[in-house]
Amino acid sequence: AQKITQTQPGMFVQEKEAVTLDCTYDTSDQSYGLFWYKQPSSGEMIFLIYQGSYDEQNATEGRYSLNFQKARKSANLVISASQLGDSAMYFCAMRPENAGGTSYGKLTFGQGTILTVHP
Amino acid sequence: KAGVTQTPRYLIKTRGQQVTLSCSPISGHRSVSWYQQTPGQGLQFLFEYFSETQRNKGNFPGRFSGRQFSNSRSEMNVSTLELGDSALYLCASSSAGGRDEQYFGPGTRLTVT
Repeated sequence: AQKITQTQPGMFVQEKEAVTLDCTYDTSDQSYGLFWYKQPSSGEMIFLIYQGSYDEQNATEGRYSLNFQKARKSANLVISASQLGDSAMYFCAMRPENAGGTSYGKLTFGQGTILTVHP
Repeated sequence: KAGVTQTPRYLIKTRGQQVTLSCSPISGHRSVSWYQQTPGQGLQFLFEYFSETQRNKGNFPGRFSGRQFSNSRSEMNVSTLELGDSALYLCASSSAGGRDEQYFGPGTRLTVT
């Protein structure tokens, strides 16, 4: 079974500052993928970034980077230069992947962190 | 490339009725997964279909069922609706061969009265 823990129910950040959203996970799978999604008040889940468990480098996508520490089972999201439009709920998620790289669609989500960006 | 589409976007049903939700994945994506999102339980996995076969199933009662067609479009059905089924139902598609993608649709918000 997989479990995702997001310990920050809410976070506040000043516009243009960086912010880190915490995520720890637990799994018995040898190979897995880690994701971050953003959910604005409209409800749509927006894919932000992905990290494979065997990827040696931390993933980056524009202003988003994933601080992956496999031994500590953590996958924190770092948002640099926060913008007002970043205010939303953020979910960390994971899914199992087999050794050949084939993924399965079963995502396990954390409870989410509400990020508020102040002007 | 068009994104994941879900219909209808909003639905109001009465207890005891049944409902069918539809999801069209991104072109070329063969895997479709369904999730239920409620304030109390968060996001929970319902099931995943790949090439018309159910590949994974979450811990939901048999009232929740789904299917996938040859064009990868998927439907989920909830029979004998209960008040607790009120939720945002999200569908996600992925190529299932790649390791990095799972894109969500806008969701269907179901209200059971």
